[in-house]
Amino acid sequence: NAGVMQNPRHLVRRRGQEARLRCSPMKGHSHVYWYRQLPEEGLKFMVYLQKENIIDESGMPKERFSAEFPKEGPSILRIQQVVRGDSAAYFCASSPVAAGVPQHFGDGTRLSIL
Amino acid sequence: QQQVKQSPQSLIVQKGGISIINCAYENTAFDYFPWYQQFPGKGPALLIAIRPDVSEKKEGRFTISFNKSAKQFSLHIMDSQPGDSATYFCAARGDTGNQFYFGTGTSLTVIP
Repeated sequence: NAGVMQNPRHLVRRRGQEARLRCSPMKGHSHVYWYRQLPEEGLKFMVYLQKENIIDESGMPKERFSAEFPKEGPSILRIQQVVRGDSAAYFCASSPVAAGVPQHFGDGTRLSIL
Repeated sequence: QQQVKQSPQSLIVQKGGISIINCAYENTAFDYFPWYQQFPGKGPALLIAIRPDVSEKKEGRFTISFNKSAKQFSLHIMDSQPGDSATYFCAARGDTGNQFYFGTGTSLTVIP
């Protein structure tokens, strides 16, 4: 099953550390979306990337958060100097084309901040 | 501000019954409305979706009803089964096409 793969599935960090979340899209998909889910809430859009380009980062906090999708390798969501409020499930989705196709989600990374 | 409002928050239905989940939106630029099913520890999985020029779409036991004038849409699960127990999210695609706005989810429990 070559679905959207995210790792790690669980990540524990202490306040002030860095968190790196990885997402490998489905085979043939060059569009990646990151969403964050807080407990008892729906998913909130963070960023949309194509290979080597950030297309829309309107949902991403301006500080401490960054994302990339290099030519080779997985997409990375990076959170620097994590705080307790960053604790959430982070989901990645991919699609083969922009906008017009339903998104397929990975099983997420559960980030816990001590 | 919640762009897509979903109700109820939780729902308990007897096996064989009909589960109905409702969503409402304000932004008339939204142009695609999917429903997702999420099991604990898993990512959302696309269930069924509809465009606003269609009033109803059916796939197996799942039906979306769409009322464009009222800016409301709903998911109906016919002959609900215990295996349908999950959290369901409605969503709407924004006018840039880059993001979906999600409802807050409905936890469905189907009891035998």
